[in-house]
Amino acid sequence: TQLLEQSPQFLSIQEGENLTVYCNSSSVFSSLQWYRQEPGEGPVLLVTVVTGGEVKKLKRLTFQFGDARKDSSLHITAAQPGDTGLYLCAGDGGFGNEKLTFGTGTRLTIIP
Amino acid sequence: KAGVTQTPRYLIKTRGQQVTLSCSPISGHRSVSWYQQTPGQGLQFLFEYFSETQRNKGNFPGRFSGRQFSNSRSEMNVSTLELGDSALYLCASSSYWTSGSNEQFFGPGTRLTVL
Repeated sequence: TQLLEQSPQFLSIQEGENLTVYCNSSSVFSSLQWYRQEPGEGPVLLVTVVTGGEVKKLKRLTFQFGDARKDSSLHITAAQPGDTGLYLCAGDGGFGNEKLTFGTGTRLTIIP
Repeated sequence: KAGVTQTPRYLIKTRGQQVTLSCSPISGHRSVSWYQQTPGQGLQFLFEYFSETQRNKGNFPGRFSGRQFSNSRSEMNVSTLELGDSALYLCASSSYWTSGSNEQFFGPGTRLTVL
């Protein structure tokens, strides 16, 4: 069974601060996705990383896939209240195990 | 392009009853997956359907079942409801088996409360 542990589980910081969320597993994934979910809605895809060591930037968000494709991180620079939400990583098991395994989630609150 | 729709949005049932939830995927998407989301267990995969066939299944008891119709719409059924089945049930569609992209497009979910 593939498991994805996210840390921290909860994070509350002031607007303008930087933060990093981690997503770790003992399993290798063919790709890893990050989603954000807001209250009353389903998760929305932010990014997909595929190659070990890959770094993707989305405005103030930087995503990194570990070299061994077992872990990932999400770094937010100068957090804004609009960044508030539940952040979920999800690993794709690849051929023969195509279902997504979601991480335990990080609930982020940005205080104005 | 219209998003994924789920009906109903809210549902209250009592223990022992059964329930059917419905999902309409994004037009052109033929893969539909169902997830259960609870505060304690997070987002857990139930099953996935493609072309009316179940392709993948999570670790849930047989009380949880699903099906997909020829127009890609999907339903999931939970029989003999238990208190622990109270959760947000999310449906997601993708074009994985045709495009290779496993991006999941989620609906808003059905909030099921079992009393």
